[in-house]
Amino acid sequence: SYVLTQPPSVSVAPGQTANIACGGNKIGTYSVHWYQQKPGQAPVMVVYDDSDRPSGIPERFSGSNSGNTATLTISWVEAGDEADYYCQVWDSSDNHYVFGPGTKVTVL
Amino acid sequence: VQLVQSGAEMKKPGSSVTVSCKASGGTFAGYSVSWVRQAPGQGLEWMGRVLPMSGTSHFAPKFQGRVTITADESTSTVSMQVISLTSEDTAFYYCARQPPGDDGFDEWGQGTLVTVSS
Repeated sequence: SYVLTQPPSVSVAPGQTANIACGGNKIGTYSVHWYQQKPGQAPVMVVYDDSDRPSGIPERFSGSNSGNTATLTISWVEAGDEADYYCQVWDSSDNHYVFGPGTKVTVL
Repeated sequence: VQLVQSGAEMKKPGSSVTVSCKASGGTFAGYSVSWVRQAPGQGLEWMGRVLPMSGTSHFAPKFQGRVTITADESTSTVSMQVISLTSEDTAFYYCARQPPGDDGFDEWGQGTLVTVSS
């Protein structure tokens, strides 16, 4: 089955840029989706189909995907961006959805 | 459309639980609905999904045979039943909607905590 990897944590100062990696074998051939989950809340989609943003998501959130790594980039990080972030793909070979283990973003 | 889930449940080991998810202010027409669970302090785990229009469902191998997902289009409600509960099933359970032709989850329910304890 398809496996996604993410760093457990990323720390970033306010106003700086956070890059959250999601690794997988030839992940560049998959559509990658990203979710933000704040403590005690349900996940919220922040990027879909590698690089598109749902309505209402700030332009500070962007995504890219190539080769074996997809990346969620948060520009001009704010304290309110502190959360867990999960990547997700559809594994057509096994016919099921796969989530990465999640990355905790801490704003210093 | 908001996805509104049923309330928290406390269950004994060996029993079963049913959690519901209602599309408030709309319907599930054309969408798929999945269930995703999250054990305390852990990540997200996909369990299975249903296509309400056809009623067809499929599941992650880990949950096959122990989880049932059904849809009632007349009430815009999707329900998930888990049988033979153990303490390892203690988790938040989320329903999540997928748009037609896409495989991301664009809308999530608020989550339902299921606690399994003797």
